Formats: sequence, C-alpha cells, structure tokens
Amino acid sequence: SQQGEEDPQALSIQEGENATMNCSYKTSINNLQWYRQNSGRGLVHLILIRSNEREKHSGRLRVTLDTSKKSSSLLITASRAADTASYFCATDAGNSGNTPLVFGKGTRLSVIA
Amino acid sequence: EAGVAQSPRYKIIEKRQSVAFWCNPISGHATLYWYQQILGQGPKLLIQFQNNGVVDDSQLPKDRFSAERLKGVDSTLKIQPAKLEDSAVYLCASSLNARSAFFGQGTRLTVV
Repeated sequence: SQQGEEDPQALSIQEGENATMNCSYKTSINNLQWYRQNSGRGLVHLILIRSNEREKHSGRLRVTLDTSKKSSSLLITASRAADTASYFCATDAGNSGNTPLVFGKGTRLSVIA
Repeated sequence: EAGVAQSPRYKIIEKRQSVAFWCNPISGHATLYWYQQILGQGPKLLIQFQNNGVVDDSQLPKDRFSAERLKGVDSTLKIQPAKLEDSAVYLCASSLNARSAFFGQGTRLTVV
C-alpha cells in the first residue's frame, strides 16, 4: 500500500514561478524524502528531512515537515523548464535498513517556457 | 561511482511467458529494493533485501513473482507466468544504511 499522498496530482506553471507540492502520510516516520522522475527514467533523490527537522534547503528546493499534521511540502523556487518531471515523496519508518521506503502517487509538474 | 545497473531496458513478452530482470546495485549498498511502477502511479515496493536476506516481501505476488539476491550483491526478479496486468516499469534501487535510495533506469515490461 502507498503511504504518502501528493497534492496536487498535476501542476502547470510558467517558468520563473514557484511550485509547491504537498505530501501527507499516515504513520510515524524516521525520515521523509523527495524524489524526481523524468519521463521514462529512474527516480533521482532530491532531499531528505529527518523527523526531528522542520525545514531544509538545497539550492532552489525548500522542504518543510510537520509531524503533528503528518505532512510535508516541497517548494521549487524560480522554476525552469528542466524542472518538468514527476515528484514523489517517500517515507521511511526506520533507520536500520529493515523498513521499506514507501512512495506516494506523485505530482506531475509542467513548467512552461 | 557507478550507479545501479539494470537489464534489459525493455522487454515485450506474451502472456503466460516467463521473464527475468537483473540488477547490479551500487557497490557496498546493503539494501536492495525492487519496485513496480504502473504508468501514472508511484513505485510500489515488491521486495526489499538487506544483504542477501529478505526484509519485506509482503506485496510480492508469490504465486508468480520470485526474487533472489545471491551473495548479497546482484539480484534477479522473475515473473512466471506473466499476466497482462504485469505491464509496468520494474525499478531496482539500492541504499546504504537505509538513507537515500539510488535507482536504476528501470526495465519497461510490456505483456501482450
């Protein structure tokens, strides 16, 4: 079963605008990760946020985590056409390699030049 | 650092035939995952290995799917016999200490 639910399912914006995607999950987690998938390719890890962290930045990416609401958001600032992809959140309930990494259904982002 | 290697990239088979996929994870990565991704959906975990032991195979359809990871390195995923609904991309990923996972390019399976 899938743990995370991304929202919206699809998002279309103009180049230069910011894109915000949300993820909600159901059970307690050790960390939450965001991945990007270009069409026909494998997933690429973007950022990991631990359960005791509230915000994390990496370049144009900003991730927040609210464990009380069991939700996370991914913000991409100053979007580019190359950011067009599907974005998935994945939750990890453990830290020993003995728990599965569970993915949501993804948000399809289209950035129009 | 070499990434996760998967082969073949594409496979077309008829229903009821058998098929096998191969994965070579990043060297030193103890955890290996096989995911099934149906078009338009997120990856669904089929099986997770820690070294050569199975951690989670609760969503693996064991009547037709099997996977092994000999010597805790390479892994193969087999489907026998295939059904139309098995058409999907099969993704292999590996990770070190269950942190971020590194994915291969996947094998796109079409069952006709």
